[in-house]
Amino acid sequence: AQSVTQLDSQVPVFEEAPVELRCNYSSSVSVYLFWYVQYPNQGLQLLLKYLSGSTLVKGINGFEAEFNKSQTSFHLRKPSVHISDTAEYFCAVREGGSQGNLIFGKGTKLSVKP
Amino acid sequence: ETGVTQTPRHLVMGMTNKKSLKCEQHLGHNAMYWYKQSAKKPLELMFVYNFKEQTENNSVPSRFSPECPNSSHLFLHLHTLQPEDSALYLCASSQERGRYEQYFGPGTRLTVT
Repeated sequence: AQSVTQLDSQVPVFEEAPVELRCNYSSSVSVYLFWYVQYPNQGLQLLLKYLSGSTLVKGINGFEAEFNKSQTSFHLRKPSVHISDTAEYFCAVREGGSQGNLIFGKGTKLSVKP
Repeated sequence: ETGVTQTPRHLVMGMTNKKSLKCEQHLGHNAMYWYKQSAKKPLELMFVYNFKEQTENNSVPSRFSPECPNSSHLFLHLHTLQPEDSALYLCASSQERGRYEQYFGPGTRLTVT
């Protein structure tokens, strides 16, 4: 069965430092990949998505992610974080070409400190 | 209103109560979803509706009963819940089931006492 692993449950980082949130998935077929962000007391908001094409995907709020098929990874990066980036980040995958469901990781809590 | 809205935002209910959660999407989408979000667990898909037809029930207990009267509205009827049902219930919608991204509402924080 499809699964998504977010290796870090919590990532503390100082403001203006770079950050990488890791996501690995298990699938041998083509996939669609998503990153969502959840701010406190809110629902999930789509940050970026990979459907096809360029493996480097740019999203909102200065985030980007790179699809690596050989490593089955889709890590999220930002070169310089702000206090306002403090939130929980979820990676999700769906098998391509199907009406399969989104499978979510357990989430990574990013804490940005001044 | 824009996007996906959910009411109420917070709900406290006893184990013998009956209540309903409401979701409305203003995006013209045809698929709607209920998810359960519990601490330290991945989001759990509960139900999927596509063009008003239920296409998925992920082994959800019968004390949760969904209803989708049209493509814009989705309800989750609750009765005789257990304390372990306390969670954030998220509604989402997408253009159709499949490759399209899902848009989420803010959720209803449910506490069962």
